[in-house]
Formats: sequence, structure tokens, C-alpha cells
Amino acid sequence: NAGVTQTPKFQVLKTGQSMTLQCAQDMNHNSMYWYRQDPGMGLRLIYYSASEGTTDKGEVPNGYNVSRLNKREFSLRLESAAPSQTSVYFCASSERENYGYTFGSGTRLTIV
Amino acid sequence: QKEVEQDPGPLSVPEGAIVSLNCTYSNSAFQYFMWYRQYSRKGPELLMYTYSSGNKEDGRFTAQVDKSSKYISLFIRDSQPSDSATYLCAMSVIFGGTSYGKLTFGQGTILTVHP
Repeated sequence: NAGVTQTPKFQVLKTGQSMTLQCAQDMNHNSMYWYRQDPGMGLRLIYYSASEGTTDKGEVPNGYNVSRLNKREFSLRLESAAPSQTSVYFCASSERENYGYTFGSGTRLTIV
Repeated sequence: QKEVEQDPGPLSVPEGAIVSLNCTYSNSAFQYFMWYRQYSRKGPELLMYTYSSGNKEDGRFTAQVDKSSKYISLFIRDSQPSDSATYLCAMSVIFGGTSYGKLTFGQGTILTVHP
């Protein structure tokens, strides 16, 4: 039972480079989310997808784009990485709104 | 002011102690309340889920919600070293509006239970 799988687990980027963080869930959940976690800031929502074919901005969307490729996959893209985007990124999914989330194990991203 | 406030701790207790973790919130539209546990270098995992005022018990864990005071708590009885983790409260509004379905998290409280 894989749950939510995130790749890669670790990544170091140079300022200005781009990359895509991948997320896939095998629980047939409708809703998927991307959060970032920073010390003292807790978990902050970047983007979410309430259902396949829809995406919406969260609390801190600037500098990111997302794609809900299908019901299973939800990717997060950094077009031009900045040191302020150094963080741990978590993908999560839920069966429907207001249900508990299942989180992936995170991607630790460092921008130098 | 943040919608959800949680004392980040750290909190250190001896094995067997009763632990109390708390969150306050300002948005009276919050109706669903959850507690997550996050071990070091892992993703958060759902511990408890409730949508009503009062207490909900699950083994050594009790979640308490007081909507009139906008205050939620998680109690851990007979704490164990394996309970050492960061505990995050989370909440969401009920249907309606533009923010329903999305969780708002507290900062998390770091708990250490020492033998």
C-alpha cells in the first residue's frame, strides 16, 4: 500500500533553474494538495486540486505552477528557483473535502 | 494574527506523564478539527479527527473541542518515548465559501518523551 508517493526525496538546485516535483496517489482520492513546511511557519498551502481537471491557488502560490495530470498525479513546478523556495514540500490527498489528508514523505529542496 | 495558533514548544516530559497539547483559532467557521503526528523527516499522519464539540477518545489519545472558546486540545495518557514527535493541529470550514475542504494548520508542537 504505497499511499502518496513523492519524487525526488532530495534535490539541490541553483538559483534560476527549473524543476518539477512529482506526486502520485493510489487511493483513488479526488482532492490533492501541495504544501511547503518551513521552521516556525508550519504547513502552508501552495496549490490544491479539488478534483481532476481543477486547480486553485492556496496561501503561497507565487513562483509555482501545478498540473493535475490525471486523477492520480499532481505535479508542482518551479519555473525559476529562488533561495526563498528552499523548503520541505509535501503532497497530500483526501477522499473528499473535509476528510483527513494522507501525506507523502516529502521532498527536501535546497536552492543555492 | 494567524487563524490558528499553536505553541511550538518544545515540550519535554518524562515517560508516563500526561501530555496536553493545545491550539486556539479565530475563524468561527471552522467545523472540522484534526490532529496530526509528524516524526522527524517524515510526512504528517492523521491521528484524530472530530467535527463536534466535546471529547473523542482513541486509546491513550483524547481530542477535545470547545467551539465556544475556539480552543482544541489533544491529551496523551501514559506517554511513551515513541510518542516523541511534532504534533500539528489542523482545521477546516464546513461547506460553503471558497476555502472549504482546505486544512489550515497550526505551527506544530515538538514533544519529547524521555525514559
